[in-house]
Amino acid sequence: QVQLQESGPGLVKASQTLSLTCAVSDDSINSGLYSWTWIRQPAGKGLEWIGHLYASGTTTYNASLKGRVTMSVDTSKNQFSLKLRSVTAADTAVYFCARGIYGRLGLENYYYMGVWGRGTAVTVSS
Amino acid sequence: QSVLPQPPSVSAAPGQKVTISCSGARSNIGNNFVSWYQHLPGTAPKLVIYDNDKRASGIPDRFSGSKSGTSATLAITGLQTGDEADYYCGTWDSSLSVGVFGGGTKLTVL
Repeated sequence: QVQLQESGPGLVKASQTLSLTCAVSDDSINSGLYSWTWIRQPAGKGLEWIGHLYASGTTTYNASLKGRVTMSVDTSKNQFSLKLRSVTAADTAVYFCARGIYGRLGLENYYYMGVWGRGTAVTVSS
Repeated sequence: QSVLPQPPSVSAAPGQKVTISCSGARSNIGNNFVSWYQHLPGTAPKLVIYDNDKRASGIPDRFSGSKSGTSATLAITGLQTGDEADYYCGTWDSSLSVGVFGGGTKLTVL
């Protein structure tokens, strides 16, 4: 059964870079079928899509994060990573990684996350 | 930021039916398939419905999804205490080229 596990510092200082990694087990990140996705949830709020990438390296980011995001994949370690620069208190959240499926059927796009990690809490301190 | 409004909470007694709505626009729900997720804080969210109305693996047929225009609905019949969780809708936004989610609905089984 596919499992995803987030890891990284739980505390990041404001203006620094948040770095997280998602380890994928029982599936190859190289399969090319899936989009490897980052999503976050600030306390008491809903889910926010950060972006996703494919094993090829193709990435799509949420423009609301104003160019502060970089995602990358390490196929040798079967994991993918998130870097969020110049963090502020507004970036305090639980960060989830997920395996997504994206495609087009007729005139509509389908996009859903079939497998998620349990999330890791990140606090930005001043 | 959540771009798909959902009711903050719904509640019903065991055995009853509840529906959770998710509102959007033509650029997201109107022109793309909708998914639904169940989340208990501290655990991994679970896919419940995908492609508007398809149940994910292992999801009982008490759960169903539908879409009409720019709104989607998750229905749960025969409520059980184990259904208590937060539920989120999600889809793709073709104008923004991003994934979007609802603000979440907390289901309480009284």
